[in-house]
Amino acid sequence: GAGVSQSPRYKVTKRGQDVALRCDPISGHVSLYWYRQALGQGPEFLTYFNYEAQQDKSGLPNDRFSAERPEGSISTLTIQRTEQRDSAMYRCASSANREGLSSGANVLTFGAGSRLTVL
Amino acid sequence: DAKTTQPPSMDCAEGRAANLPCNHSTISGNEYVYWYRQIHSQGPQYIIHGLKNNETNEMASLIITEDRKSSTLILPHATLRDTAVYYCIVLFSNDYKLSFGAGTTVTVRA
Repeated sequence: GAGVSQSPRYKVTKRGQDVALRCDPISGHVSLYWYRQALGQGPEFLTYFNYEAQQDKSGLPNDRFSAERPEGSISTLTIQRTEQRDSAMYRCASSANREGLSSGANVLTFGAGSRLTVL
Repeated sequence: DAKTTQPPSMDCAEGRAANLPCNHSTISGNEYVYWYRQIHSQGPQYIIHGLKNNETNEMASLIITEDRKSSTLILPHATLRDTAVYYCIVLFSNDYKLSFGAGTTVTVRA
């Protein structure tokens, strides 16, 4: 697509429920990133994929969070047994560049985000 | 481990140049300086990046000091639509984790 598409834009759920957030990156983009943004703060890195391979998941807060990108395109971020502290804006980004690009031009394009509210 | 320091906020008059400073005194030789901005609740938007030389594109200019310990993002003719949080980020060329920090909230006033 023309941009990074995320769904749902808004999700309200009850504590203890599982949620799945979807990201459709720019067509052909190799790398896909998940960030989380609390109100009034900058985005924080969660995890990153090159093609279908999850390269780094060091930013995932705990084992309730997982992400996949099975075919190297669309990605799903899943939060199990949600808690109120999981409430935030979840942002996906993609870039055309593979890790190790020497030009330094690893430009990320972000989606509009999925706002999660856990009651 | 904050690699950059930015003023928390600044105002700018519409039509004037906005000069946004960023200190990155511990930058290493292979780290680039990137600028992103975030308008209201939208996702961050890439503006410009550079290593040593000054850079210019259709959005802004980036001036990097000779010792690379600081830089300035210049919006040549600020408009109301430039009101946003501006983030200065240093990053190795093979790195992918953007560390956004608090940024500078720029308010352009009519």
